[in-house]
Amino acid sequence: AQKVTQAQTEISVVEKEDVTLDCVYETRDTTYYLFWYKQPPSGELVFLIRRNSFDEQNEISGRYSWNFQKSTSSFNFTITASQVVDSAVYFCAPSGGYQKVTFGTGTKLQVIP
Amino acid sequence: DTEVTQTPKHLVMGMTNKKSLKCEQHMGHRAMYWYKQKAKKPPELMFVYSYEKLSINESVPSRFSPECPNSSLLNLHLHALQPEDSALYLCASSPLATSGGGNEQFFGPGTRLTVL
Repeated sequence: AQKVTQAQTEISVVEKEDVTLDCVYETRDTTYYLFWYKQPPSGELVFLIRRNSFDEQNEISGRYSWNFQKSTSSFNFTITASQVVDSAVYFCAPSGGYQKVTFGTGTKLQVIP
Repeated sequence: DTEVTQTPKHLVMGMTNKKSLKCEQHMGHRAMYWYKQKAKKPPELMFVYSYEKLSINESVPSRFSPECPNSSLLNLHLHALQPEDSALYLCASSPLATSGGGNEQFFGPGTRLTVL
């Protein structure tokens, strides 16, 4: 079973600022995957990024980047040059057991124009 | 077609009613999921179907009855619900996960259920 901590309940930034969302997880699995999902006010969850536990290379995809550190069990997510459309709740979600994803409590991001 | 559709969008039902939620995907995914999400909370997994067979039931009360008639459809039958069952019910699908659950899930817009 996984446990996820997203300590930031709400964050407000001004448009064009960079923002980092923190995620700390606990797992007993030796192999697992980590996801970030976004839930805008419309309610539909949208997949953003995935990382597997055996590849700690950090990547950038457009305005999104992530920092995975297995030693500290952290999987932080950064949005560069934030936009109003980025306003949403962001969930960190590890998956270790077969098809079972555990969602964190979420971080509500508000981007102010 | 890369979307998951859910009907109805909103549903209001009494505690003695029987209703059903429907979910459909045409992405060829062989895993489908039901989640329940209360306001300001994360989604909670209810059921998982793999190859049209129930593979995970997260100890959900029997008043919720899932059904997967074919690889594209997923239903959730509701009977004798309680007011605390009011929530957003989300359906998702994914390519069948490799061991370790590595595939992302595609979510529908949800059905907002109110039980009176």
